Amino acid sequence: DQQVKQNSPSLSVQEGRISILNCDYTNSMFDYFLWYKKYPAEGPTFLISISSIKDKNEDGRFTVFLNKSAKHLSLHIVPSQPGDSAVYFCAASGNYGQNFVFGPGTRLSVLP
Amino acid sequence: NAGVTQTPKFRILKIGQSMTLQCTQDMNHNYMYWYRQDPGMGLKLIYYSVGAGITDKGEVPNGYNVSRSTTEDFPLRLELAAPSQTSVYFCAIGQPSNEKLFFGSGTQLSVL
Repeated sequence: DQQVKQNSPSLSVQEGRISILNCDYTNSMFDYFLWYKKYPAEGPTFLISISSIKDKNEDGRFTVFLNKSAKHLSLHIVPSQPGDSAVYFCAASGNYGQNFVFGPGTRLSVLP
Repeated sequence: NAGVTQTPKFRILKIGQSMTLQCTQDMNHNYMYWYRQDPGMGLKLIYYSVGAGITDKGEVPNGYNVSRSTTEDFPLRLELAAPSQTSVYFCAIGQPSNEKLFFGSGTQLSVL
């Protein structure tokens, strides 16, 4: 049973528009949530995180929103750029710094 | 400063063969992890270590062994390779005070 779900395997967005990637989780003990970005033939790289005491965290073009009651988080990328084309993984942890659970990923394609 | 180095990048094994995937870090991080990523799936934790001499099982440890004799190295051993172990393997490092994980570039393993 997947504890972290990303129900959209892929997403295509026009350059300059907003990209919204969604993630749902089932374990109410999770208290840290992270987004990782992965290019082909590379390891995932950290993008942005949010703790359960917040509902929003921004870093430049990237914003993560957390809705604890719905057990849902989303990553917004505005404006989207072709270099953002990658696989995005949502991850959650219930023990700060240990034992992250990853979702299956969403492949984002930003079209010029 | 290479960060996290994994070797080899690619390997093909025959069923029943054994091999060791190497992971070395130069960031002096306490925590080290081994994940595997199967197509369309998230990263699943195989083993992790919170420091030299300490290792623990993750979600999918069967068929693997690890050791952590130094802070820098965390090798993953496959004793009797099986086709189900065909996957991409990622080593990652972290710190107890920081939720971010830093990943190596991965080892693509095929067992035929």
